[in-house]
Amino acid sequence: DAGITQSPRHKVTETGTPVTLRCHQTENHRYMYWYRQDPGHGLRLIHYSYGVKDTDKGEVSDGYSVSRSKTEDFLLTLESATSSQTSVYFCAISLDRGPSGYTFGSGTRLTVV
Amino acid sequence: DQQVKQNSPSLSVQEGRISILNCDYTNSMFDYFLWYKKYPAEGPTFLISISSIKDKNEDGRFTVFLNKSAKHLSLHIVPSQPGDSAVYFCAASDRSGGSNYKLTFGKGTLLTVNP
Repeated sequence: DAGITQSPRHKVTETGTPVTLRCHQTENHRYMYWYRQDPGHGLRLIHYSYGVKDTDKGEVSDGYSVSRSKTEDFLLTLESATSSQTSVYFCAISLDRGPSGYTFGSGTRLTVV
Repeated sequence: DQQVKQNSPSLSVQEGRISILNCDYTNSMFDYFLWYKKYPAEGPTFLISISSIKDKNEDGRFTVFLNKSAKHLSLHIVPSQPGDSAVYFCAASDRSGGSNYKLTFGKGTLLTVNP
C-alpha cells in the first residue's frame, strides 16, 4: 500500500472553532488532494496541490484553506467550523497521470456540533 | 453542473449473477475513466480503468465498457460475490490538460450482493 495517513481519524468540534486536518505521505507523490464525502453528493474536491506551495481550489473550497510546505504534508484548515462541514474527509495522492489515478487515505470523520 | 453522473444510487443482485453499474459523463474532453470501490470506514480503492482509445478493458471478474459516442461507461461484475458489496464510484479525467491532474467523481452506487 502507498504510504498515506490522515490524522485525526475522528474529531468532534464546536461551531466557530478552527480545525486542521493533516495528510501525510511517504511516497514523494507530486499531487495531493482533499475531498469530502457526503450522502447524495459523492466525492467532491475541496482543494488540491500540484507541488510544494502550489495549491488550487476545487469545487467546494469556501470555508477551507490548505497549505503544503513540504512534499509529504498537506494540511486542510476549516477556518471557522460550521455544521455544514460535518463530513468525512479524504486525502488522496497521485504521482501523475498514472493508470490507477489516486491512492486515498482512510478518511477523517469530522463532526461539528 | 455534474459532469459525471451515476443515476442509480443503489443496486441489489443475487450472488453469482451479473452486476452492471452505469455511469454517464458530459465533458467531451474526458479521456480516461476509472472505477473505485469503497467499503464503509475505508478510503476508496482503485478497481479498473479504461482509456478513451479503447472500448473495453477486462480484469478478472471486472469489465469496463466505454461508449464514447453515448458518453457512457459501465462496469460489469461477473459473477457477483457478497464481498463485492460496496459503494462504487465512477471517475473521469482529462489527461491532456496542463499541469493540473484532477479526477471528477460521480455520486456513487451502493451495490449489495445477496447470498
